[in-house]
Amino acid sequence: DAGITQSPRHKVTETGTPVTLRCHQTENHRYMYWYRQDPGHGLRLIHYSYGVKDTDKGEVSDGYSVSRSKTEDFLLTLESATSSQTSVYFCASKVTEAYEQYFGPGTRLTVT
Amino acid sequence: EDQVTQSPEALRLQEGESSSLNCSYTVSGLRGLFWYRQDPGKGPEFLFTLYSAGEEKEKERLKATLTKKESFLHITAPKPEDSATYLCAAHGSSNTGKLIFGQGTTLQVKP
Repeated sequence: DAGITQSPRHKVTETGTPVTLRCHQTENHRYMYWYRQDPGHGLRLIHYSYGVKDTDKGEVSDGYSVSRSKTEDFLLTLESATSSQTSVYFCASKVTEAYEQYFGPGTRLTVT
Repeated sequence: EDQVTQSPEALRLQEGESSSLNCSYTVSGLRGLFWYRQDPGKGPEFLFTLYSAGEEKEKERLKATLTKKESFLHITAPKPEDSATYLCAAHGSSNTGKLIFGQGTTLQVKP
């Protein structure tokens, strides 16, 4: 299994506050991804990165930004959290030569 | 539009009762079909990759197969510890590594 950790694992925040979620991988994977998982929607891609400082939008990117200053770290920021962003967030990574992604344990975010 | 659909949404089996989970896909330029297992409160765990129609992969009581339109996850003589949500995902022709996920099948195996 890829060594992927996420922090925090649980967070409760108020509407309008900024929130940053961190993903850290120790596999030297070039590609990293942020997903959200909601009942009835499955896993949906928010943003992804194909290298340091190289990022792009996924299908549900509105209200989110990302940064990747080091290979091992991929940050997801909610600039001003809304209740619709209450979800479970998963980070994933993969090597360049393969297609399968390996997931972290997730962060459960509640916006009140 | 690329799409992945899983059925059934939920499946209850008795221990030892074999069955199959279905994953139908409409993806242009399929590069891989993936199966994951997800336990409550955890991240998806990678199980299999299938690349071309006719390919099969096995792991313990699980066997995944692939046709040009569908993939099946066969569970033979399941045990309670096989209870989980099983996710199917597809990788199309994009070079970004994006996966398209189905909504999953939640399997419950009763002793």
